[in-house]
Amino acid sequence: RKEVEQDPGPFNVPEGATVAFNCTYSNSASQSFFWYRQDCRKEPKLLMSVYSSGNEDGRFTAQLNRASQYISLLIRDSKLSDSATYLCVAQVNQGGKLIFGQGTELSVKP
Amino acid sequence: EAGVVQSPRYKIIEKKQPVAFWCNPISGHNTLYWYRQNLGQGPELLIRYENEEAVDDSQLPKDRFSAERLKGVDSTLKIQPAELGDSAVYLCASSLVGLGETQYFGPGTRLLVL
Repeated sequence: RKEVEQDPGPFNVPEGATVAFNCTYSNSASQSFFWYRQDCRKEPKLLMSVYSSGNEDGRFTAQLNRASQYISLLIRDSKLSDSATYLCVAQVNQGGKLIFGQGTELSVKP
Repeated sequence: EAGVVQSPRYKIIEKKQPVAFWCNPISGHNTLYWYRQNLGQGPELLIRYENEEAVDDSQLPKDRFSAERLKGVDSTLKIQPAELGDSAVYLCASSLVGLGETQYFGPGTRLLVL
């Protein structure tokens, strides 16, 4: 079993749709969580950190449930430019290795 | 500010040949990471350096892989000899531990072993 598991993709949605990605992690010692975005043939880039209280950045909302070891990302009003692979990430120690899920591909269509 | 620089961007070699990848982290970043990303998967850590010291190399296949970070700045990752299964994207990342600690990734080296 992988340490971080994500919904299988791809997700194909129309512009303006709301889409949710789910992720679970198995190591209860994990302290920090992130969502990274990776465009085709590009490097991963930090989209947002995920906090226990939940956090929002524009159209993006991330939630963390430590009891269930569950992380989510909600994208509202999807844009064509949101098309990418979204990687769920856990980290045990600050500065330590990032543990990535396999990624979920999102394709937003006109 | 310049990002993480990696070279070469692409490399095609025959199996059993050696290959080396180079990474220059963001200026001032004390921690450097090498990750490997297989097709359809997320990146997986190979080795992490804090300054010049390799502090986590537990997932580095030491029979054929080696790495160094002389002077605590740029780093080289080597594979000798390469195997077909080494075909992947090799990503370098850096961070400043103690301040933000976001890991910034370079563009990667795409390796194909024939």
